[in-house]
Amino acid sequence: TQLLEQSPQFLSIQEGENLTVYCNSSSVFSSLQWYRQEPGEGPVLLVTVVTGGEVKKLKRLTFQFGDARKDSSLHITAAQPGDTGLYLCAGAGAGTALIFGKGTTLSVSS
Amino acid sequence: NAGVTQTPKFRILKIGQSMTLQCAQDMNHNYMYWYRQDPGMGLKLIYYSVGAGITDKGEVPNGYNVSRSTTEDFPLRLELAAPSQTSVYFCASSLNGMTSSTDTQYFGPGTRLTVL
Repeated sequence: TQLLEQSPQFLSIQEGENLTVYCNSSSVFSSLQWYRQEPGEGPVLLVTVVTGGEVKKLKRLTFQFGDARKDSSLHITAAQPGDTGLYLCAGAGAGTALIFGKGTTLSVSS
Repeated sequence: NAGVTQTPKFRILKIGQSMTLQCAQDMNHNYMYWYRQDPGMGLKLIYYSVGAGITDKGEVPNGYNVSRSTTEDFPLRLELAAPSQTSVYFCASSLNGMTSSTDTQYFGPGTRLTVL
């Protein structure tokens, strides 16, 4: 059974701080996706990484896929209150349904 | 486009009651999914469909049923509600599903269900 472990589970920081969220597995994935979910809404896709070692940037967010395609990280620079939410990673295998991690709840206070 | 819509937004059921959660998408997507989300547990796949008339079980299908008579609609049926089914339910749709590792799933706003 493929599992995705996310850490930390909760993160509470001040505006302007940097943070990193991790998504780890013992399994290899074809791709890794990161979603953000705000309270009362459904998850929204932020990015998909496909190639081992790939780095993608989305404004202040940097996503990295591990060389072995078993892990990924999300780094936020100078966090803002608008970054508050639940961050979910999801792994895609060949011909299989997405596997979601349990999520990281981020709270950024001003 | 409205995207993925779900009704109702909230519902309280008594044990043993039944209900149908509605889901519709207007993006002409082939794939549709039902997930449940419990606190601290991420998203668990209940059922999915690869097209009209074709459905299959996900990770946690017990206690639920689905049908897909049209491309647009994918209702989820709870026949005998139990407290363990208290959760937030999300419907999602995507164009290519498991045939593509870069497929994007679009989620509805969710239905919060409480079974007492």
